[in-house]
Amino acid sequence: DADVTQTPRNRITKTGKRIMLECSQTKGHDRMYWYRQDPGLGLRLIYYSFDVKDINKGEISDGYSVSRQAQAKFSLSLESAIPNQTALYFCATSGDKGWEQYFGPGTRLTVT
Amino acid sequence: KQEVTQIPAALSVPEGENLVLNCSFTDSAIYNLQWFRQDPGKGLTSLLLIQSSQREQTSGRLNASLDKSSGRSTLYIAASQPGDSATYLCAVSSGGSYIPTFGRGTSLIVHP
Repeated sequence: DADVTQTPRNRITKTGKRIMLECSQTKGHDRMYWYRQDPGLGLRLIYYSFDVKDINKGEISDGYSVSRQAQAKFSLSLESAIPNQTALYFCATSGDKGWEQYFGPGTRLTVT
Repeated sequence: KQEVTQIPAALSVPEGENLVLNCSFTDSAIYNLQWFRQDPGKGLTSLLLIQSSQREQTSGRLNASLDKSSGRSTLYIAASQPGDSATYLCAVSSGGSYIPTFGRGTSLIVHP
């Protein structure tokens, strides 16, 4: 079984809808991250969490919110989806600071 | 703010060639540097992690070097194969929170 899983893997939704992307990990890591990837722009950090009680904004947090339900679960929500949020979304985990990062398989989100 | 640049952006080579992919960063006060592989539409797979105190790491046909003083890392791929075709990204951890900053990647095609 994969160490970092994401659901759903693909999602098509309409403008204005609320969407939740979920991430679960079995690595026992405290640090979790949400990124989006767009062609030509690389990976950009949306939110990150260093433990259950710690949530931090990344460089592009506007329009997104997160919830760290447990050490193993970190969810990303789009409160009111818009077309420019169409992208590939990745969840990642790492152990202590500076440890290796592990990525989930990604969620391809299309907002029409 | 840390900036990471990868050159070249794309590379196409015949099978069997030895390759060098480059990664440069602007702030040499890094904690570590990680190289990833990404297949189209897929998640990132960690290849090598080099701590700031190390000069290089090796895994099979891959060798990554780190020169902090010049702000550079290289990923050397020996005897390239079509199965090596993918995008290769480097990420540098620096700053107080050790959040990785990603380059935009080098897209590699190895043709038979």
